[in-house]
Amino acid sequence: EAGVTQSPRYAVLQEGQAVSFWCDPISGHDTLYWYQQPRDQGPQLLVYFRDEAVIDNSQLPSDRFSAVRPKGTNSTLKIQSAKQGDTATYLCASSFPGATQYFGPGTRLLVL
Amino acid sequence: GDKVKQSPSALSLQEGTNSALRCNFSIAATTVQWFLQNPRGSLMNLFYLVPGTKENGRLKSAFDSKESYSTLHIRDAQLEDSGTYFCAAEGESNYQLIWGSGTKLIIKP
Repeated sequence: EAGVTQSPRYAVLQEGQAVSFWCDPISGHDTLYWYQQPRDQGPQLLVYFRDEAVIDNSQLPSDRFSAVRPKGTNSTLKIQSAKQGDTATYLCASSFPGATQYFGPGTRLLVL
Repeated sequence: GDKVKQSPSALSLQEGTNSALRCNFSIAATTVQWFLQNPRGSLMNLFYLVPGTKENGRLKSAFDSKESYSTLHIRDAQLEDSGTYFCAAEGESNYQLIWGSGTKLIIKP
């Protein structure tokens, strides 16, 4: 069974540029999470979905970040105008509700 | 304060020795997950716990919801056990995980 896949694996941007991250969860998992992990810190939840619905996006900086999961499968996280403080690894995870979360390899973002 | 507090923050061990990592919760945790993030950054799930214990090879984990803590024991540590161990707790109201800040474990030959 394929795991969670993410792309790209790396991204380097200038401040003010936009970037999108893509996640393909494990087939059948209805819950999908996006986390931000700054260097030497634990993952911090940005947003999570049940099927196509956003369940909680209270930690998502809504002025510059957006996330969608239109068909309840793949998901895209977008940063409209990146800042240096957005430098981090962006992790996608999927699960059945209230069960083990499985993580993708992450996208390492560097904003110069 | 931290809702999920991990200790120690860092640990260095000789190969073949044993260790114990701990998480204390200031929330009413219903389940706990333990993860290992290897030096390349991949996060792997080790345990998913309701109150009780689980064992998998050289790893053993316990979760006591009444006393609000969880432990992870590593027996006969190997070089490949190096990395950062995270615990994460699920509260009563939703399926969000609240993460600890991690224990960085270095195993020396």
